[in-house]
Order: sequence, then structure tokens, then C-alpha cells
Amino acid sequence: NAGVTQTPKFRVLKTGQSMTLLCAQDMNHEYMYWYRQDPGMGLRLIHYSVGEGTTAKGEVPDGYNVSRLKKQNFLLGLESAAPSQTSVYFCASSYGKWETQYFGPGTRLLVL
Amino acid sequence: AQTVTQSQPEMSVQEAETVTLSCTYDTSENNYYLFWYKQPPSRQMILVIRQEAYKQQNATENRFSVNFQKAAKSFSLKISDSQLGDTAMYFCAFTTFWGKLQFGAGTQVVVTP
Repeated sequence: NAGVTQTPKFRVLKTGQSMTLLCAQDMNHEYMYWYRQDPGMGLRLIHYSVGEGTTAKGEVPDGYNVSRLKKQNFLLGLESAAPSQTSVYFCASSYGKWETQYFGPGTRLLVL
Repeated sequence: AQTVTQSQPEMSVQEAETVTLSCTYDTSENNYYLFWYKQPPSRQMILVIRQEAYKQQNATENRFSVNFQKAAKSFSLKISDSQLGDTAMYFCAFTTFWGKLQFGAGTQVVVTP
């Protein structure tokens, strides 16, 4: 049981490049989330999903897109990376909206 | 707006001593859940303790306990018998009706020998 995994662990992008971050969970959770963490701040919600095929915007969705084609996977895309998107990205999942969220190890992204 | 405030950016405690982290929050919801997560240098977010707002009894988890004051919207964390492995950033958070976790800015706890 791996829990929540994230790929890649670290990535450097140039401004304008695109990339996709992959989150996978093997706990059969319905809810999945993408957060970003910046220095001196807690985590902020980017997008979330309440089930396969559904997505919704969180607190800071601009510049990101997501897809949940399979229940166990939640993808976060950056179409045209900007330096302001330099951050650590965390994926999380939970059984239901009231339940504890379990986090992946994070992806550190540097946009030059 | 729903917010979480952690007023202590950093706290230092000696091994075996007790430290209390403060957290206040603001929400108009009546039903919600409160959490403390720790983030050690490995960066992994780890659940420390969870409290249902409708329960008056304070949650405990081994050396970790909370003081939940719903009317005051306060949710402090007490770490007893501190250990070196408790060194981490601690985040207070709450989740409301549609499951969004709102985090505070965090308190860095440093446990010294």
C-alpha cells in the first residue's frame, strides 16, 4: 500500500514550457486535491475532484488545469509556466469530504 | 472569509518539556473538522490529530492533545514530553462543508537536547 505518490519529485522548467504533475493513490479515495506551498504560507488549494470525471476550482486555480480520468489518478497541468508558479506542489486524497486528507511527498517545481 | 491564524512563527522547547501551539480560526459554518498536521524536514505532511467540531471532548493522540474552545474559535495543540523527532513545522487547518482544507501559516517547533 503506497498511499499517495507524486511524479516527478523535482523539476526545473523555463518560462513558457508546459508540464504535467501526476498524482496516484491506491486507497480507493473519492476525493483528490492539489495544493501549492510557498515560503511563509500554509498550503493553498489549487483544484480538487470529488470523483472520477469531476474537477472543481480551489483558491488559486489560475494558470493550472486538472483532469481525473481514472479514480486513482489526478493530473495537474501547467500550460505555460511562469516564475510565479515556482512552488512545492502537494497532492492529497480522502475518502470523503469530512475525512482526513492524506498527502503525497510533494513535487518541487522551479520555473526560471 | 474563512481564515486560520497561527500567531507563533517559531517556538523552541527542550526535550521532555511541554509546548503549546496556538491556533484561531474564523468560519461561519457550524459543522467542521479541525486538524493539526506536522511537516518535518522531509517535507511530508503528516496528520497529528483531528477534532470534530460537534464533539466537546478534546482529542488526544499519545503525547499530543488539543484544547478546543468552539465559542472562542480556538484550537491549540499541546505536545507533552517533547522528543527530537517532534522538530517540524506544525500547521493548523480546518475543513468545512465541501471539504476544502484551510491552512494557517504554520509554527516551526524546534526541540533541543
